[in-house]
Amino acid sequence: NAGVTQTPKFQVLKTGQSMTLQCAQDMNHEYMSWYRQDPGMGLRLIHYSVGAGITDQGEVPNGYNVSRSTTEDFPLRLLSAAPSQTSVYFCASRTGQGLNEKLFFGSGTQLSVL
Amino acid sequence: AQKVTQAQTEISVVEKEDVTLDCVYETRDTTYYLFWYKQPPSGELVFLIRRNSFDEQNEISGRYSWNFQKSTSSFNFTITASQVVDSAVYFCALSEAETSYDKVIFGPGTSLSVIP
Repeated sequence: NAGVTQTPKFQVLKTGQSMTLQCAQDMNHEYMSWYRQDPGMGLRLIHYSVGAGITDQGEVPNGYNVSRSTTEDFPLRLLSAAPSQTSVYFCASRTGQGLNEKLFFGSGTQLSVL
Repeated sequence: AQKVTQAQTEISVVEKEDVTLDCVYETRDTTYYLFWYKQPPSGELVFLIRRNSFDEQNEISGRYSWNFQKSTSSFNFTITASQVVDSAVYFCALSEAETSYDKVIFGPGTSLSVIP
């Protein structure tokens, strides 16, 4: 199994550009989420989804949009990139069976906004 | 609101020393879950352990042990006889069953360096 796949691995944007970070999982997980990792801040939750058609905001949702049209995919959209969005982004998923289930993480996307 | 604090930003130890990583959490829920994840220099995040709020038993897995104390809202992680391969960033995380269902909140992480 591939697990959680994120693309691209690296991306450089100019301020104001838009882009979509892709996340796909092949484990039939209901729950998917996006985190950003910044030095000294740990992992901060951006958005999450408990199933197709259902999304909700996390700790730092501003500047990001998500949608969940299928169980497998959970893309993260930056409509107008800002330097403050320079970060490493992780997608994670788990089963919807219980809150005590561990998260499976993708390998991350390193984004730089100039 | 849920919160996870890891007061130790960076720790350096010499190989074979024991080291304890602290985690203090805040929650109003009576049902919640605590986790530890490891992020080695390669960058991937690896699950280590989970504990629910109704199980205060300590756990030992090889050189790793975890001390969960509800009275002090702490879930500390100890590595015995540390090795260079233990060098990583370690994250403590919390999910609440009632107030913020489905949100998994992470602490800022502790960067551990094991010096040979």
